[in-house]
Amino acid sequence: DVKVTQSSRYLVKRTGEKVFLECVQDMDHENMFWYRQDPGLGLRLIYFSYDVKMKEKGDIPEGYSVSREKKERFSLILESASTNQTSMYLCASSFKGDTEAFFGQGTRLTVV
Amino acid sequence: GQQLNQSPQSMFIQEGEDVSMNCTSSSIFNTWLWYKQDPGEGPVLLIALYKAGELTSNGRLTAQFGITRKDSFLNISASIPSDVGIYFCAGRYFSGGYNKLIFGAGTRLAVHP
Repeated sequence: DVKVTQSSRYLVKRTGEKVFLECVQDMDHENMFWYRQDPGLGLRLIYFSYDVKMKEKGDIPEGYSVSREKKERFSLILESASTNQTSMYLCASSFKGDTEAFFGQGTRLTVV
Repeated sequence: GQQLNQSPQSMFIQEGEDVSMNCTSSSIFNTWLWYKQDPGEGPVLLIALYKAGELTSNGRLTAQFGITRKDSFLNISASIPSDVGIYFCAGRYFSGGYNKLIFGAGTRLAVHP
């Protein structure tokens, strides 16, 4: 079974903190993605990566950065968390050129 | 930019009823996908559609890729309580050298036993 694991299900952080969300996949997928999910807005792409050390901005990259030092791991970084970054964050991965993306369980982040 | 309009936003139905939801766009897509998200979980792929006009079934689910490539629908027949969740459509398009996905806002389905 494909497994995409996000390090935390729930996180509460203070405004201004640096936050790391970690994602690991065990299927040797080339592609990895970070989305945020908000009610009424669906899933919006923050950043994606098609290879190690490679990253591309998605539709809403502002306030975020990413790191992909190893093929199986894709980290999302909030340099200085703000309350408008309170959301559900979903990591996904897929094979290169493949349509199906496999999602992790999500991390619900609350910034207070 | 690309936008998908998914409707309805939510549905509350009786067990055994059929369900229909759809996504429309002013843009053309080369693939349409339908995902389901159970409460507290990540989305899981239900059906993928690759050709305009394609009609695909997966058990009680049926989805179609619109002939104009700008829309898709998903039908669920004889709903059961475990159909509860959020259903997302997604359109795949090519931009900036990459294949990208854009998601609809989701249809939240509640099934009353």
